[in-house]
Amino acid sequence: SSELTQDPVVSVALGQTVRITCQGDSLRTFSATWYQQKPGQAPVLLIFAKNIRPSGIPDRFSGSSSGDTASLTITGAQAEDEADYYCNSRDSSATHWVFGGGTRLTVL
Amino acid sequence: QLQLHESGPGLVKPSETLSLTCTVSGGSISSSNFYWGWIRQSPGKGLEWIGSIFNGATTDYNPSLKSRVTISLDTSKNQFSLKLTSVTAADTAVYFCTDYGSGVANLWGPGTLVTVSS
Repeated sequence: SSELTQDPVVSVALGQTVRITCQGDSLRTFSATWYQQKPGQAPVLLIFAKNIRPSGIPDRFSGSSSGDTASLTITGAQAEDEADYYCNSRDSSATHWVFGGGTRLTVL
Repeated sequence: QLQLHESGPGLVKPSETLSLTCTVSGGSISSSNFYWGWIRQSPGKGLEWIGSIFNGATTDYNPSLKSRVTISLDTSKNQFSLKLTSVTAADTAVYFCTDYGSGVANLWGPGTLVTVSS
């Protein structure tokens, strides 16, 4: 089991806002990085350092954090946002890196 | 712009050593600002960090794999490599090379499937 916990499946209606969460003790100290992965493709970096988007990532993606939970928010979800989303951060002992189990987002 | 590409055998026998190479194009692998790392994904499963190398020689490995993993650089070929010894079926996965450092991987290779089977 992962030290970062994500809901396995989340759905959102087209154009609506959805929040994908990642929970873990280490998130009280370390920020989460978020990746998007579509079937058969390598992951894509979405958010790092809590809420910084690399060049080319749409501004409908944003990150936030509170306590032991980091969140990825998609404001105005698009059909192309249907994908798996993974959070990544330090483990609870801060000695290595772990990924959350991933959240499959369905856009209805 | 930097690009990464994995190469290596797609089939490895149990108990043998998995060896993969990542070729970096579009820039030098020996830049002191770069981290390089490997991440894998078992079929239908999530991502698992294997390890990273930075500052040319300092390595950091996932504790669950540390006894079996070696990551190294070959600056003459602009490549870095992964060796995983004593493999079992549980090591069957798509292996990605990345510029993974401090939890951030901006560049990824397309991934290569390695199957462990006799």
